[in-house]
Amino acid sequence: DTAVSQTPKYLVTQMGNDKSIKCEQNLGHDTMYWYKQDSKKFLKIMFSYNNKELIINETVPNRFSPKSPDKAHLNLHINSLELGDSAVYFCASSQEGAAKNTEAFFGQGTRLTVV
Amino acid sequence: GQSLEQPSEVTAVEGAIVQINCTYQTSGFYGLSWYQQHDGGAPTFLSYNALDGLEETGRFSSFLSRSDSYGYLLLQELQMKDSASYFCAVRGLDSNYQLIWGAGTKLIIKP
Repeated sequence: DTAVSQTPKYLVTQMGNDKSIKCEQNLGHDTMYWYKQDSKKFLKIMFSYNNKELIINETVPNRFSPKSPDKAHLNLHINSLELGDSAVYFCASSQEGAAKNTEAFFGQGTRLTVV
Repeated sequence: GQSLEQPSEVTAVEGAIVQINCTYQTSGFYGLSWYQQHDGGAPTFLSYNALDGLEETGRFSSFLSRSDSYGYLLLQELQMKDSASYFCAVRGLDSNYQLIWGAGTKLIIKP
């Protein structure tokens, strides 16, 4: 049973389109994340969200928006796609708490190619 | 601000020992983590250090020195399947305790 699942695994789309990537976790975690990994393998956090707070990396364009219908889901919507958005997007979750020694569990990734 | 430095690439021989270093800069430090990522795969958790010293998990060990803002991942008895990228990541006050990642170290293992 997959802990963090995201769909689709591959997404090829044209510039200017709007697309969504879905993410679900069945671990009962309270915090979910979206990361972008570029061709140089650099992992950059885009959003973190729990039921209390959305933390947005200020460098993320407002064309990207997270949507959380419930605690187990955090979807990523991208408007007006650009060539530079091509990357692998990872969803992750963890159980945050006072200890902070929490492992993040990652989905399989969505390879987005904008043409 | 918050930053991490790790070598971009390390090469080692199968059966050998390799050490991947990570230096970090952050305020309100709250732990150093290590993750492994194979090509085409997702990052997976390896270890976490909040206190100084060595944590051992099988062939992998992780070390932390908070006074030096330095840690390393030690891989012993290297196997070809250990070829992957290894990321260090820190939690600190600067990032509101979110994980901030190094650029990753690509480990190349030769037979």
